[in-house]
Amino acid sequence: EVQLVESGGGLVQPGGSLRLSCAASGFTFSSYEMNWVRQAPGKGLEWVSYISSSGSTIYYADSVKGRFTISRDNAKNSLYLQMNSLRAEDTAVYYCARAESDRGAVGVDWGQGTLVTVSS
Amino acid sequence: QSALTQPASVSGSPGQSITISCTGTSSDVGSYNLVSWYQQHPGKAPKLMIYEGSKRPSGVSNRFSGSKSGNTASLTISGLQAEDEADYYCCSYAGSSTFYVFGTGTKVTVL
Repeated sequence: EVQLVESGGGLVQPGGSLRLSCAASGFTFSSYEMNWVRQAPGKGLEWVSYISSSGSTIYYADSVKGRFTISRDNAKNSLYLQMNSLRAEDTAVYYCARAESDRGAVGVDWGQGTLVTVSS
Repeated sequence: QSALTQPASVSGSPGQSITISCTGTSSDVGSYNLVSWYQQHPGKAPKLMIYEGSKRPSGVSNRFSGSKSGNTASLTISGLQAEDEADYYCCSYAGSSTFYVFGTGTKVTVL
């Protein structure tokens, strides 16, 4: 059974930093692309970042480019999102998702999400 | 890159069919057959319902079907059931500069 478990969310002040983690199990993590997708309270889904299976190809949404960094450790079956210079508008539930881009699926499997609140 | 446009809400009675539209542009929906649809119940993670525009993952009911015409993709739910009441989002690949764009979301209500 595929499991994706996010952690690292919490309350942070504007301008602060936070690192999210996603622990993967139940599939060969190193063979799959991954995405981070977020959802602000009461709002819709927003794609945040993509990383290829090897980590060699990375994309970001314009809203986070230059502030967020996606990475992965295939030896630890883990995905990360380093978030710097956080703003109030970054407040959201952050989901990690196993992707199949050649099928147009931003998320075949999803974690339960971790809440990030940016507030003073 | 603007979000794809979906109706805010769609409703139907049990047993009826409903269709949710997802309108993009020639840079996303119109250029690629890479539209996916997600169902999200309150407080839950999204669930993949359709990929590549019209294909269903294993385990998804055949009451869900997808299609595309020009810049507009559609999700049809036939034989509407109470458990189908949820939010639905489309998502399209939009090229290497934008990558993915989601729709605005549609709340489906079963009357």
